[in-house]
Amino acid sequence: EIVMTQSPATLSVSPGERATLSCRASQTVSSNLAWYQQKPGQAPRLLIHGASTRATGIPARFSGSGSGTEFTLTISSLQSEDFSVYYCQQYNNWPFTFGPGTKVDIK
Amino acid sequence: QVQLQESGPGLVKPSGTLSLTCAVSGGSIDSSYWWSWVRQPPGKGLEWIADIYHGGNTNSNPSLQSRLTVSVDKSKNQFSLRLTSVTVADTAVYYCATRAWAFDNWGQGTMVTVSS
Repeated sequence: EIVMTQSPATLSVSPGERATLSCRASQTVSSNLAWYQQKPGQAPRLLIHGASTRATGIPARFSGSGSGTEFTLTISSLQSEDFSVYYCQQYNNWPFTFGPGTKVDIK
Repeated sequence: QVQLQESGPGLVKPSGTLSLTCAVSGGSIDSSYWWSWVRQPPGKGLEWIADIYHGGNTNSNPSLQSRLTVSVDKSKNQFSLRLTSVTVADTAVYYCATRAWAFDNWGQGTMVTVSS
């Protein structure tokens, strides 16, 4: 099983600032990496797939990069609605696995 | 975009069987998607449970495989999850989702509590 790790666990950011979230896989997942946003009481929402392709309707301030084992989600200018938990997930190998999440909160 | 709606009992007794259904609307279960289940224990992260294709091909998490059955009902345009011998560790919000590659569309989730 591929183990996904995320850092930091919590990221405190002021509105309008940039947020950079990291995700690491225990072995290569190529570019088969997705990012999700989850707000309290809601289902996750797909933001990024293929490591860098924004899902339909996702604002351009969200961008993904990386391949292999190291990945980054960048939110260029945090809006109030972006304070949330973010998960990475690999779909290169079964069983599909998620990282433990990064909580982005208001500084 | 298809709409997904989970349904099933909110409370299951330990050693019992958890059965959930995901109704698909706005599209056909014969579409070229994998139909998936993901769960999230209270206050914790996400765990992939299983995928099924409309032809019946399935993939499931080895940690649950021995207790798990997933199926598709084309006549009702829905798919189902059955998990046997449940324990308190199976208490979670259960989501159904579509998957082309990543999980691109999710149901709202249903909370299942395992308790006597």
